[in-house]
Amino acid sequence: DIQLTQSPSSLSVSVGDRVTITCRASQDISTYLTWYQQKPGKAPKFLIYGASTLQTGFPSRFSGSGSGTDFTLTISSLQPEDFATYYCQQTYTTPRTFGQGTKVEIK
Amino acid sequence: QVQLQESGPGLVKPSQTLSLICTVSGGSISSDSYYLNWVRQPAGKGLEWIGRIYTRGDTTYGPSLKSRVTISLDTSKNQLSLKLTSVTAADTAVYYCARSPIGNHGMDVWGQGTTVTVSS
Repeated sequence: DIQLTQSPSSLSVSVGDRVTITCRASQDISTYLTWYQQKPGKAPKFLIYGASTLQTGFPSRFSGSGSGTDFTLTISSLQPEDFATYYCQQTYTTPRTFGQGTKVEIK
Repeated sequence: QVQLQESGPGLVKPSQTLSLICTVSGGSISSDSYYLNWVRQPAGKGLEWIGRIYTRGDTTYGPSLKSRVTISLDTSKNQLSLKLTSVTAADTAVYYCARSPIGNHGMDVWGQGTTVTVSS
Protein backbone atom coordinates (compact mmCIF):
# COMPACT_ATOMS: atom_id res chain seq x y z
CA ASP A 1 0.00 0.00 0.00
CA ILE A 2 1.10 3.57 -0.61
CA GLN A 3 1.83 5.43 2.61
CA LEU A 4 1.24 9.18 2.85
CA THR A 5 3.01 11.22 5.51
CA GLN A 6 1.76 14.71 6.24
CA SER A 7 3.70 17.35 8.09
CA PRO A 8 3.25 18.99 10.40
CA SER A 9 0.57 17.12 12.31
CA SER A 10 -0.69 20.40 13.68
CA LEU A 11 0.17 24.06 13.55
CA SER A 12 -0.95 27.18 15.35
CA VAL A 13 -1.26 30.19 13.14
CA SER A 14 -2.80 33.63 13.05
CA VAL A 15 -5.29 35.09 10.62
CA GLY A 16 -3.40 36.41 7.64
CA ASP A 17 -0.51 33.96 7.96
CA ARG A 18 0.74 31.88 5.08
CA VAL A 19 0.29 28.16 5.72
CA THR A 20 2.15 25.32 4.05
CA ILE A 21 1.30 21.67 4.59
CA THR A 22 3.32 18.90 2.99
CA CYS A 23 2.35 15.38 2.00
CA ARG A 24 4.97 12.81 1.07
CA ALA A 25 4.12 9.56 -0.69
CA SER A 26 6.04 6.33 -0.20
CA GLN A 27 6.29 5.89 -3.98
CA ASP A 28 5.79 7.91 -7.16
CA ILE A 29 2.10 8.77 -7.59
CA SER A 30 2.51 11.30 -10.41
CA THR A 31 -0.07 14.00 -9.69
CA TYR A 32 -2.75 11.68 -8.34
CA LEU A 33 -3.11 13.54 -5.09
CA THR A 34 -6.25 15.02 -3.58
CA TRP A 35 -6.64 17.38 -0.63
CA TYR A 36 -9.66 17.61 1.65
CA GLN A 37 -10.72 20.11 4.28
CA GLN A 38 -12.61 18.87 7.31
CA LYS A 39 -14.21 20.97 10.03
CA PRO A 40 -15.28 19.50 13.39
CA GLY A 41 -18.41 17.39 13.18
CA LYS A 42 -18.58 17.71 9.39
CA ALA A 43 -17.75 15.50 6.44
CA PRO A 44 -14.57 16.23 4.53
CA LYS A 45 -14.83 18.62 1.62
CA PHE A 46 -13.14 18.02 -1.73
CA LEU A 47 -10.60 20.84 -1.98
CA ILE A 48 -7.92 20.09 -4.59
CA TYR A 49 -7.48 17.22 -7.04
CA GLY A 50 -4.81 16.27 -9.51
CA ALA A 51 -2.37 17.84 -7.01
CA SER A 52 -3.15 21.39 -8.15
CA THR A 53 -6.71 21.82 -9.47
CA LEU A 54 -8.84 23.81 -7.09
CA GLN A 55 -12.40 22.61 -6.68
CA THR A 56 -15.13 25.09 -7.55
CA GLY A 57 -16.30 27.03 -4.54
CA PHE A 58 -12.97 27.36 -2.78
CA PRO A 59 -11.15 30.68 -2.86
CA SER A 60 -7.93 31.18 -4.78
CA ARG A 61 -5.89 31.59 -1.58
CA PHE A 62 -5.80 27.78 -1.59
CA SER A 63 -3.28 26.20 -3.93
CA GLY A 64 -1.65 22.83 -4.40
CA SER A 65 1.56 21.78 -6.04
CA GLY A 66 3.89 18.85 -6.46
CA SER A 67 4.32 15.64 -8.36
CA GLY A 68 5.99 12.30 -7.83
CA THR A 69 6.33 11.89 -4.09
CA ASP A 70 6.27 15.42 -2.67
CA PHE A 71 3.21 17.64 -2.52
CA THR A 72 2.25 20.90 -0.88
CA LEU A 73 -0.99 22.58 0.11
CA THR A 74 -0.63 26.32 0.59
CA ILE A 75 -3.05 28.82 2.05
CA SER A 76 -1.70 32.22 1.11
CA SER A 77 -3.45 34.28 3.78
CA LEU A 78 -5.34 32.27 6.38
CA GLN A 79 -8.89 33.35 7.07
CA PRO A 80 -11.01 32.46 10.12
CA GLU A 81 -13.07 29.96 8.12
CA ASP A 82 -9.91 28.06 7.12
CA PHE A 83 -9.26 26.67 10.59
CA ALA A 84 -9.78 22.97 10.01
CA THR A 85 -8.00 19.68 9.52
CA TYR A 86 -6.55 18.99 6.09
CA TYR A 87 -6.01 15.52 4.65
CA CYS A 88 -4.20 14.35 1.56
CA GLN A 89 -5.24 11.20 -0.28
CA GLN A 90 -3.58 9.35 -3.13
CA THR A 91 -5.77 8.35 -6.06
CA TYR A 92 -3.00 6.58 -7.97
CA THR A 93 -4.08 3.10 -6.99
CA THR A 94 -6.20 1.09 -4.59
CA PRO A 95 -6.37 0.83 -1.72
CA ARG A 96 -6.89 4.54 -1.55
CA THR A 97 -4.89 5.87 1.39
CA PHE A 98 -4.98 9.10 3.36
CA GLY A 99 -2.39 11.08 5.18
CA GLN A 100 -2.85 11.32 8.93
CA GLY A 101 -4.13 14.88 8.73
CA THR A 102 -2.86 18.35 9.64
CA LYS A 103 -4.86 20.37 12.12
CA VAL A 104 -4.66 24.12 11.59
CA GLU A 105 -5.45 25.88 14.86
CA ILE A 106 -5.76 29.47 15.99
CA LYS A 107 -2.69 30.87 17.70
CA GLN B 1 -26.61 17.35 -8.21
CA VAL B 2 -25.93 14.04 -6.50
CA GLN B 3 -26.49 13.95 -2.75
CA LEU B 4 -25.69 11.11 -0.36
CA GLN B 5 -27.30 10.23 2.96
CA GLU B 6 -26.13 7.47 5.30
CA SER B 7 -28.47 5.65 7.64
CA GLY B 8 -28.40 2.70 9.97
CA PRO B 9 -28.36 1.66 13.61
CA GLY B 10 -26.23 3.81 15.84
CA LEU B 11 -25.44 0.97 18.22
CA VAL B 12 -24.22 -2.51 17.36
CA LYS B 13 -23.25 -5.27 19.78
CA PRO B 14 -19.80 -6.84 19.62
CA SER B 15 -19.52 -9.83 17.30
CA GLN B 16 -22.63 -8.77 15.38
CA THR B 17 -22.86 -7.37 11.84
CA LEU B 18 -22.87 -3.65 11.17
CA SER B 19 -25.21 -2.75 8.31
CA LEU B 20 -25.42 0.72 6.81
CA ILE B 21 -27.26 2.21 3.85
CA CYS B 22 -26.31 5.19 1.73
CA THR B 23 -29.20 6.65 -0.25
CA VAL B 24 -28.28 8.43 -3.46
CA SER B 25 -30.50 11.28 -4.65
CA GLY B 26 -30.20 13.61 -7.61
CA GLY B 27 -29.09 10.87 -9.97
CA SER B 28 -29.54 7.24 -10.83
CA ILE B 29 -26.85 4.73 -9.93
CA SER B 30 -28.23 2.39 -12.57
CA SER B 31 -27.61 4.84 -15.39
CA ASP B 32 -24.64 6.88 -14.18
CA SER B 33 -21.01 5.73 -14.02
CA TYR B 34 -18.95 6.49 -10.96
CA TYR B 35 -17.59 4.87 -7.82
CA LEU B 36 -19.29 4.89 -4.47
CA ASN B 37 -16.97 4.60 -1.51
CA TRP B 38 -17.20 3.94 2.21
CA VAL B 39 -14.82 5.79 4.51
CA ARG B 40 -14.72 5.72 8.28
CA GLN B 41 -13.27 7.92 10.98
CA PRO B 42 -12.90 6.97 14.65
CA ALA B 43 -13.47 9.84 17.02
CA GLY B 44 -10.51 12.19 17.03
CA LYS B 45 -8.64 10.19 14.41
CA GLY B 46 -8.00 10.19 10.69
CA LEU B 47 -9.84 8.88 7.66
CA GLU B 48 -9.76 5.23 6.63
CA TRP B 49 -10.89 4.08 3.19
CA ILE B 50 -13.00 0.92 3.55
CA GLY B 51 -13.68 0.18 -0.10
CA ARG B 52 -15.69 1.12 -3.16
CA ILE B 53 -18.05 -0.21 -5.76
CA TYR B 54 -18.38 0.86 -9.35
CA THR B 55 -21.96 1.57 -10.36
CA ARG B 56 -21.43 -1.08 -13.02
CA GLY B 57 -20.62 -3.58 -10.27
CA ASP B 58 -16.90 -4.11 -9.52
CA THR B 59 -15.86 -3.86 -5.88
CA THR B 60 -12.49 -3.16 -4.28
CA TYR B 61 -11.77 -3.37 -0.57
CA GLY B 62 -9.06 -2.04 1.67
CA PRO B 63 -6.78 -4.72 3.12
CA SER B 64 -7.46 -4.16 6.80
CA LEU B 65 -11.20 -4.95 6.59
CA LYS B 66 -11.32 -7.05 3.45
CA SER B 67 -12.15 -10.31 5.23
CA ARG B 68 -15.15 -8.79 7.02
CA VAL B 69 -16.66 -6.27 4.62
CA THR B 70 -19.19 -6.41 1.81
CA ILE B 71 -20.21 -3.41 -0.29
CA SER B 72 -23.16 -3.73 -2.64
CA LEU B 73 -25.69 -1.75 -4.64
CA ASP B 74 -29.48 -1.90 -4.75
CA THR B 75 -30.23 -0.14 -8.01
CA SER B 76 -34.00 -0.45 -7.51
CA LYS B 77 -33.71 1.71 -4.39
CA ASN B 78 -30.76 3.82 -5.56
CA GLN B 79 -28.84 2.72 -2.50
CA LEU B 80 -25.36 1.62 -1.52
CA SER B 81 -24.88 -0.72 1.42
CA LEU B 82 -22.07 -1.67 3.75
CA LYS B 83 -21.94 -4.81 5.84
CA LEU B 84 -19.15 -5.36 8.34
CA THR B 85 -19.16 -8.64 10.23
CA SER B 86 -17.79 -9.62 13.64
CA VAL B 87 -17.50 -6.05 14.87
CA THR B 88 -15.49 -4.98 17.90
CA ALA B 89 -15.08 -1.71 19.73
CA ALA B 90 -12.36 -0.83 17.22
CA ASP B 91 -15.08 -0.49 14.58
CA THR B 92 -16.70 2.40 16.46
CA ALA B 93 -16.52 5.36 14.10
CA VAL B 94 -18.33 7.82 11.90
CA TYR B 95 -19.03 6.09 8.59
CA TYR B 96 -19.25 8.14 5.41
CA CYS B 97 -20.29 7.27 1.90
CA ALA B 98 -18.69 9.32 -0.85
CA ARG B 99 -18.73 9.48 -4.62
CA SER B 100 -15.67 9.49 -6.82
CA PRO B 101 -15.89 10.09 -10.57
CA ILE B 102 -14.33 7.71 -13.04
CA GLY B 103 -10.62 8.25 -13.34
CA ASN B 104 -8.05 8.95 -10.72
CA HIS B 105 -10.01 11.58 -8.88
CA GLY B 106 -10.80 11.99 -5.25
CA MET B 107 -14.18 11.90 -3.60
CA ASP B 108 -16.13 14.94 -4.63
CA VAL B 109 -19.48 14.34 -2.91
CA TRP B 110 -19.84 13.10 0.66
CA GLY B 111 -22.72 12.16 2.89
CA GLN B 112 -22.96 13.81 6.27
CA GLY B 113 -21.82 10.64 8.02
CA THR B 114 -23.44 8.34 10.54
CA THR B 115 -22.01 7.43 13.92
CA VAL B 116 -21.82 3.76 14.83
CA THR B 117 -20.90 2.64 18.32
CA VAL B 118 -19.99 -0.96 19.05
CA SER B 119 -20.91 -1.76 22.62
CA SER B 120 -22.81 -4.34 24.61
